[in-house]
Amino acid sequence: KQEVTQIPAALSVPEGENLVLNCSFTDSAIYNLQWFRQDPGKGLTSLLLIQSSQREQTSGRLNASLDKSSGRSTLYIAASQPGDSATYLCAVLGGGNTDKLIFGTGTRLQVFP
Amino acid sequence: DADVTQTPRNRITKTGKRIMLECSQTKGHDRMYWYRQDPGLGLRLIYYSFDVKDINKGEISDGYSVSRQAQAKFSLSLESAIPNQTALYFCATSDSSRAFQNEQFFGPGTRLTVL
Repeated sequence: KQEVTQIPAALSVPEGENLVLNCSFTDSAIYNLQWFRQDPGKGLTSLLLIQSSQREQTSGRLNASLDKSSGRSTLYIAASQPGDSATYLCAVLGGGNTDKLIFGTGTRLQVFP
Repeated sequence: DADVTQTPRNRITKTGKRIMLECSQTKGHDRMYWYRQDPGLGLRLIYYSFDVKDINKGEISDGYSVSRQAQAKFSLSLESAIPNQTALYFCATSDSSRAFQNEQFFGPGTRLTVL
């Protein structure tokens, strides 16, 4: 069974810091990994998708990396801003004999001025 | 306009009532999904549909049913709501023509409270 873990569960940083969010998964036979952002009481916004054959993807101040062999992904946020405050979720497609999207429980990020 | 819409956005109901949550999409995607989100448990898949004639159970389908009325519409029903179905419900879509990526796009969610 595929399991996805995100560490830390919560993070509070001052504005301007670079930060790293971690995601790990137990079965490396994945098709892709997706990072989402969720604002309180709102839907999920897709940030980045990394295919299993890729090592990283970048979008603006965000960079996501994937190391399939070790079952890890990181989301790097450069020069954090208060508007980055949200919960960040990672999800993997595949692994554990499933072709469904399996979610972690998220990292709740607060960036204070 | 939003690509994936859900109605209602909020609903309070009583135990035993029948509830229908609706999802519509204008993305032209063939695949649609229903998830629920509970604090500390993340998102869990309830049902999914790969096309109009295809319905599949997810991880937690007991107590729910779905209908794929058209490629753009996928509804979730709670035949007899119970308090532990209180949760945030999300609809999502993806495009099988880009199956290698299968990126999923989510609606804004429906907050359901069962008293």
